[in-house]
Amino acid sequence: QKEVEQNSGPLSVPEGAIASLNCTYSDRGSQSFFWYRQYSGKSPELIMSIYSNGDKEDGRFTAQLNKASQYVSLLIRDSQPSDSATYLCAVNKDQAGTALIFGKGTTLSVSS
Amino acid sequence: EAQVTQNPRYLITVTGKKLTVTCSQNMNHEYMSWYRQDPGLGLRQIYYSMNVEVTDKGDVPEGYKVSRKEKRNFPLILESPSPNQTSLYFCASSYRLGATDTQYFGPGTRLTVL
Repeated sequence: QKEVEQNSGPLSVPEGAIASLNCTYSDRGSQSFFWYRQYSGKSPELIMSIYSNGDKEDGRFTAQLNKASQYVSLLIRDSQPSDSATYLCAVNKDQAGTALIFGKGTTLSVSS
Repeated sequence: EAQVTQNPRYLITVTGKKLTVTCSQNMNHEYMSWYRQDPGLGLRQIYYSMNVEVTDKGDVPEGYKVSRKEKRNFPLILESPSPNQTSLYFCASSYRLGATDTQYFGPGTRLTVL
């Protein structure tokens, strides 16, 4: 059974700081990785996708992928109170993309 | 507006009373999927569909049925709901079945089975 592991948190950072969220996955053959943000009671919303080793930046968000170490991370620069949410790491179940395997999520709290 | 819609958004029912949760997308997506989300267990896939009339089981299919008669609709059917199916349900869709295709989620349906 493929697994995706995340620290549940809560991760607390002050406004303006960098929040670092980490995720490890069990299947070395995984190729596609996603970060979703989920506010309480709402649906997951895609923030970033990453497929190649290295960094991918989009505004205040940077996703980092290290396939050799089987981890993927999300950095949020200049954190805002509106970033307070649960962040879900997801990996494609197989090369065909039949499903996403989700981690249980890390709760981020940004204090003003 | 491109979106995935679900109905109803909230439902309280009793054990054994058949129910259907509808899911519809207006993006001409081929792939659709149902997930359930439970505290401590995260999001888990129930069923998915690669196209019209093509469906397959996910990780937790027991107690559920689906159908895909039209490309835009993918209803989730609970023939005889039980309390352990109390959960938050999400429908998702993507353009096609593929490892790099983004899945877009509907707003969710909170189901309580008494």
